[in-house]
Amino acid sequence: AQTVTQSQPEMSVQEAETVTLSCTYDTSENNYYLFWYKQPPSRQMILVIRQEAYKQQNATENRFSVNFQKAAKSFSLKISDSQLGDTAMYFCAFMGDSNYQLIWGAGTKLIIKP
Amino acid sequence: ETGVTQSPTHLIKTRGQQVTLRCSSQSGHNTVSWYQQALGQGPQFIFQYYREEENGRGNFPPRFSGLQFPNYSSELNVNALELDDSALYLCASSFRTSYNEQFFGPGTRLTVL
Repeated sequence: AQTVTQSQPEMSVQEAETVTLSCTYDTSENNYYLFWYKQPPSRQMILVIRQEAYKQQNATENRFSVNFQKAAKSFSLKISDSQLGDTAMYFCAFMGDSNYQLIWGAGTKLIIKP
Repeated sequence: ETGVTQSPTHLIKTRGQQVTLRCSSQSGHNTVSWYQQALGQGPQFIFQYYREEENGRGNFPPRFSGLQFPNYSSELNVNALELDDSALYLCASSFRTSYNEQFFGPGTRLTVL
């Protein structure tokens, strides 16, 4: 069975700093997708970034980038130039190529301080 | 383009009652997934519907059931509510051909007393 682990329950950084959130996963599948979702207090889950396992190049979306290490089964999220609006819960999630359900980590609460 | 909507926003039920939650998928999306998110935890997959049939189910008992309608909207029904059913219920829609792009609604907060 696939599992997703986020080992940082909470992180706090100053505005404009760079922060990295960690995620590890376990799977026996060779092809799969990895995601970072943001859940602000409004509760709506918002996709931040997505990585396809067969792509070696790390995904980037503006200030958000990932460090995908397939052999180590590691998928960290880096937020550059952090902004107050980045304050939220961040969830790492996995989806195998053989089914359509998302498997989620427990989340990391990120607080950006002014 | 209309996003995923869910109703109601909040509701309170008592143990043993039944509840129905509703989800309207994003325009054109034909697949709907439901997730349960307990307080302080990540979501857990309940089930997915495609072409009005259940297409995958997580580790939830049969008292959790669902429907999908011809317009792709969906319902989640929970019978014999238990205190542990208190959670945020999230609905996500997607195209079948791009199933890894799931778009989420704002959720329904269910409290069971």
